[in-house]
Amino acid sequence: KQEVTQIPAALSVPEGENLVLNCSFTDSAIYNLQWFRQDPGKGLTSLLLIQSSQREQTSGRLNASLDKSSGRSTLYIAASQPGDSATYLCAVRSNDYKLSFGAGTTVTVRA
Amino acid sequence: EAGVAQSPRYKIIEKRQSVAFWCNPISGHATLYWYQQILGQGPKLLIQFQNNGVVDDSQLPKDRFSAERLKGVDSTLKIQPAKLEDSAVYLCASSLGQGPERAFFGQGTRLTVV
Repeated sequence: KQEVTQIPAALSVPEGENLVLNCSFTDSAIYNLQWFRQDPGKGLTSLLLIQSSQREQTSGRLNASLDKSSGRSTLYIAASQPGDSATYLCAVRSNDYKLSFGAGTTVTVRA
Repeated sequence: EAGVAQSPRYKIIEKRQSVAFWCNPISGHATLYWYQQILGQGPKLLIQFQNNGVVDDSQLPKDRFSAERLKGVDSTLKIQPAKLEDSAVYLCASSLGQGPERAFFGQGTRLTVV
């Protein structure tokens, strides 16, 4: 069974600082890994999708890396802004087609 | 492109009552998921459909929860009877397929059982 862990559970940084969010998974037999953003009371918004054959994906200030062999992914958010405050979730699609989530990292960016 | 639609957005019921949630996935998406997200936790998969067939319902409490996907499009999730611990956000998602495709989520239904 795929287990997904996100550390830290919460993070508070001053505006302008870079954010580093970690995700680890136990079974490296995966199709892809997806990072989501969740605002309070809202659904999940997809940020980045990394296929198992890729090492990283970039979108604007966001960059996600994937090391499948070690079961790790990192989401980098450059020059954080108060609008980046949210919960960030990673989800792993395993080769058995299941999409498993971590518990998320709640980010607060202080103005 | 229209997103995943869910209704209702909010529901408050008393324990032992029944409730139903509805989901309309993105057009053409063969795979549909229902997740339960308890406050402070990550989403937990309840059931996954591929077209109108069930792929995985291993974590669905089948004594009280049921789900169906008619004609491989819309889906309903029902709870009968509800318990206090069912209070959560119920998220529906869809994807083109089960492999490398991106999953898209709806806004969710927040259920409060009192």
